[in-house]
Amino acid sequence: GAGVSQSPSNKVTEKGKDVELRCDPISGHTALYWYRQSLGQGLEFLIYFQGNSAPDKSGLPSDRFSAERTGGSVSTLTIQRTQQEDSAVYLCASSLNGFTEAFFGQGTRLTVV
Amino acid sequence: QQQVKQSPQSLIVQKGGISIINCAYENTAFDYFPWYQQFPGKGPALLIAIRPDVSEKKEGRFTISFNKSAKQFSLHIMDSQPGDSATYFCAASGYGGATNKLIFGTGTLLAVQP
Repeated sequence: GAGVSQSPSNKVTEKGKDVELRCDPISGHTALYWYRQSLGQGLEFLIYFQGNSAPDKSGLPSDRFSAERTGGSVSTLTIQRTQQEDSAVYLCASSLNGFTEAFFGQGTRLTVV
Repeated sequence: QQQVKQSPQSLIVQKGGISIINCAYENTAFDYFPWYQQFPGKGPALLIAIRPDVSEKKEGRFTISFNKSAKQFSLHIMDSQPGDSATYFCAASGYGGATNKLIFGTGTLLAVQP
């Protein structure tokens, strides 16, 4: 596709369940970011992948959060044992490299009930 | 040292007025300074960006002013319109090492009143 694609666009899950959020970056982009945005709030950095380098996981809020990027393309953000405070919009962005324009997806709105 | 500080948190401007949003950074290794615009329900999108070899960049009604010595940069929206009402984020990144990723400011919610 022409842009960053995220799926699902909306996800409602029960507290305690695991969820997987998917991001398809723009083809050829080596950098991929995950951010979390609560209602009316800023962009909370979660994790950053750049090429074959070890990912920067410094923003992951707890060990319930993990992410992987397979083959340098698609990325999956996994949240285990979801809590109500995990409810937010999860945004993925990709960039040709780490220091040029980042293109954002539309986000996945996660609601934990 | 990796932070980008943005102000104000919110801003109300009358139609036709000038909107000004400010950002400051500490890490002198940053060399790319973009501004992103986000409408409700959408992901942020690049609005305008500058590199430190120039002090100003203008695209239509949007201008970035960059002060390298003060480590500050700002977004000016001239002749602000209700359609400019959105959240604006500044960001910074650099080449290599710890700066090789975009660091975002906390955002400014702009409301342009008709």
